[in-house]
Amino acid sequence: GESVGLHLPTLSVQEGDNSIINCAYSNSASDYFIWYKQESGKGPQFIIDIRSNMDKRQGQRVTVLLNKTVKHLSLQIAATQPGDSAVYFCAEGRGYGGSQGNLIFGKGTKLSVKP
Amino acid sequence: GAVVSQHPSWVICKSGTSVKIECRSLDFQATTMFWYRQFPKQSLMLMATSNEGSKATYEQGVEKDKFLINHASLTLSTLTVTSAHPEDSSFYICSARDGRNQPQHFGDGTRLSIL
Repeated sequence: GESVGLHLPTLSVQEGDNSIINCAYSNSASDYFIWYKQESGKGPQFIIDIRSNMDKRQGQRVTVLLNKTVKHLSLQIAATQPGDSAVYFCAEGRGYGGSQGNLIFGKGTKLSVKP
Repeated sequence: GAVVSQHPSWVICKSGTSVKIECRSLDFQATTMFWYRQFPKQSLMLMATSNEGSKATYEQGVEKDKFLINHASLTLSTLTVTSAHPEDSSFYICSARDGRNQPQHFGDGTRLSIL
């Protein structure tokens, strides 16, 4: 069936190291992908997005890579800080330019940063 | 920019009570708002999509008579859980976007506990 999933449910990294969170999607028709960060008891916070006509996009300390050949998405966080500890969700948009623009969320990866 | 406010943040009430949750876009006009439900340590599940001035579109399995959605203005959507029961206890999160090709921005959620 169609799904957006994550390879690693938990990830523990040392402060200062780089983090890589992976996500697989199954619908080749998806044209929009987005990463959110969710801290405990709060709503998801937008990190970065990418459209299917791109394979890389960079933000502040974050980079999203999209590999459409293998339907894989990753979020790279440079110099991970304790404040980056949270659950990270990838989401897949299907027909995002259309009237609905629904997002299908993956299961989430918990990132823990060790000081 | 792109701030979404949700109120209340926490509700505890007796079984059979109806509860209204508000979602406001504070610094932009939201053409579309979304309502999600999230169980502990799980991902977000889309309940319904609402466009200003029209009826909400509910996802399969979501009872529209139980979860009433009103999107009367470009900055306000409400979700009313009617005759709530303990199984309706959950974390409800809204999101909003100001254009078809814009990311969804989330509120901080409402934790609903039905006794």
